[in-house]
Amino acid sequence: GGIITQTPKFLIGQEGQKLTLKCQQNFNHDTMYWYRQDSGKGLRLIYYSITENDLQKGDLSEGYDASREKKSSFSLTVTSAQKNEMAVFLCASSGTANTEVFFGKGTRLTVV
Amino acid sequence: QQNVQQSPESLIVPEGARTSLNCTFSDSASQYFWWYRQHSGKAPKALMSIFSNGEKEEGRFTIHLNKASLHFSLHIRDSQPSDSALYLCAVSHNTNTGKLTFGDGTVLTVKP
Repeated sequence: GGIITQTPKFLIGQEGQKLTLKCQQNFNHDTMYWYRQDSGKGLRLIYYSITENDLQKGDLSEGYDASREKKSSFSLTVTSAQKNEMAVFLCASSGTANTEVFFGKGTRLTVV
Repeated sequence: QQNVQQSPESLIVPEGARTSLNCTFSDSASQYFWWYRQHSGKAPKALMSIFSNGEKEEGRFTIHLNKASLHFSLHIRDSQPSDSALYLCAVSHNTNTGKLTFGDGTVLTVKP
């Protein structure tokens, strides 16, 4: 089995601040994802990447940047933190198409 | 753009009951259909998936798919308090990625 590690677990930032969330996976999966989960709700896709240096926008990409530095890591940047985007950000990965998507435990973002 | 809706939003059942959760989707070209379960404060974890019309059973869990009706469901037999969680349905296309579109979830509470 593998694991997805997200850092930090909790992130507090000021309104307007640029913030970076990091994700590492040791599944050797090709595809990685960033999802946002608002309180007790479903997941919305922000960005995904099907291979190193690839980036694809999801439905919620405005206000975010992403970077796939290497196969095992995928980072997400909140370009200017806003109070209405306080949520849990979930990183995920998957192997071949339509196999299970595995999730990390999330980074909870608070904007003050 | 894919639209995935779940019902009901929340459900309270007694221990031992049979529970049914529903999911509708809008894109008839969708290929793979998933149920994920997320216990409070934990990462979402895949429960089961289906890709052809009909039903699939795994232990106490059964998934039904009717592509013509754009509907699939999850049935839990002999519900247990440990089944209490947020249940998320998800749909993917047959592309090179495992990109999933999620519903907003059903909160299930099983009372002892």
